[in-house]
Amino acid sequence: ETGVTQSPTHLIKTRGQQVTLRCSSQSGHNTVSWYQQALGQGPQFIFQYYREEENGRGNFPPRFSGLQFPNYSSELNVNALELDDSALYLCASSLGGLAGGPGDTQYFGPGTRLTVL
Amino acid sequence: GEDVEQSLFLSVREGDSSVINCTYTDSSSTYLYWYKQEPGAGLQLLTYIFSNMDMKQDQRLTVLLNKKDKHLSLRIADTQTGDSAIYFCAERGYNQGGKLIFGQGTELSVKP
Repeated sequence: ETGVTQSPTHLIKTRGQQVTLRCSSQSGHNTVSWYQQALGQGPQFIFQYYREEENGRGNFPPRFSGLQFPNYSSELNVNALELDDSALYLCASSLGGLAGGPGDTQYFGPGTRLTVL
Repeated sequence: GEDVEQSLFLSVREGDSSVINCTYTDSSSTYLYWYKQEPGAGLQLLTYIFSNMDMKQDQRLTVLLNKKDKHLSLRIADTQTGDSAIYFCAERGYNQGGKLIFGQGTELSVKP
């Protein structure tokens, strides 16, 4: 158990809708990262938040946005859902540290399976 | 660009050793990781190695890093049926913040 939780476990939406996925980091972890894992693929980095500020972004459009809160929880919001957004969404928490190091090892939650019809 | 490659499948007999290989392109990689994913689950961190190390051993797991060839391997000794899963190699480059670049994953099948 990593101590990272995500909700909901599964979600079904239709094209064009909006969705909010939630993550609760390990206590004391200042950094949260979000990844998208399509079926049969490795996770792709969406973005990272450090102390409530975006700290890096992958190749995802602006309709993917996030928030991080002081209580170690965070959200991933996706607007105008497309069929290709169907995937497992993983959040990962780490102690933090902008320069990286052993403290930046990421611990993953169980994921939210999003299906877009 | 950044890229991580893994072979897709590996099948071994219970009790044998498994070796899962990975190659990466980013020469500035600082840390390299191995994660395990069981069906329908998230990623479990198995081990990691800093780029100035050649080898790291942790119980049944041995990680070998050839930085010159940008090649990483994970050896699992005495493989058990419970080791059946998908194994992901990931790298983090210098000055990349927290971005991990993952390979496609190697599906390990352990036959009794």
